Amino acid sequence: EPEVTQTPSHQVTQMGQEVILRCVPISNHLYFYWYRQILGQKVEFLVSFYNNEISEKSEIFDDQFSVERPDGSNFTLKIRSTKLEDSAMYFCASSRGPSSYNEQFFGPGTRLTVL
Amino acid sequence: KNQVEQSPQSLIILEGKNCTLQCNYTVSPFSNLRWYKQDTGRGPVSLTIMTFSENTKSNGRYTATLDADTKQSSLHITASQLSDSASYICVVGSGGSYIPTFGRGTSLIVHP
Repeated sequence: EPEVTQTPSHQVTQMGQEVILRCVPISNHLYFYWYRQILGQKVEFLVSFYNNEISEKSEIFDDQFSVERPDGSNFTLKIRSTKLEDSAMYFCASSRGPSSYNEQFFGPGTRLTVL
Repeated sequence: KNQVEQSPQSLIILEGKNCTLQCNYTVSPFSNLRWYKQDTGRGPVSLTIMTFSENTKSNGRYTATLDADTKQSSLHITASQLSDSASYICVVGSGGSYIPTFGRGTSLIVHP
């Protein structure tokens, strides 16, 4: 069964460093998403991406964040200068059609630890 | 401000028993409501999706209901199994955009 994959599973970085989190969505999906979940808190939406551009983004997704689909398979989330409060689990998801009516499939997540 | 409240916060039941989880929301305009199951350290897995016109949706032993008038939803789990131990998250989508509002989840523990 196809699934969303994410790498790395755990990333440790120093405050102020740039990190890139990688995701490979399900191959025939067209809509892509990033979420984060701070330990013990609820999942929060970051951004949705369709047709090579951002379609929606939350207040969390400020200028420090960017997303890219550099080739036909990868979908990346870049954090330019990490802060301590960026420590969280980051989930990538994808769906075949618009998320309002289509199931989203989540990856296993990348745990980001900022020291 | 859009909000999703879930209750109870945590629940412990014995294997084989049924349980019902609640979700109340104040999201407007309403587009859809989803229930997810999230195992510890894993990504959420979709259980059901309901739009405004649907008031019940089943997925195996999981049955979700939606009352759009009272803005309430429930997730009923029948004949619980040990593998049902997880966090169950209610997520409400707002019409016109995709920025979902997540609940904090109900942590369910099923004991043998």
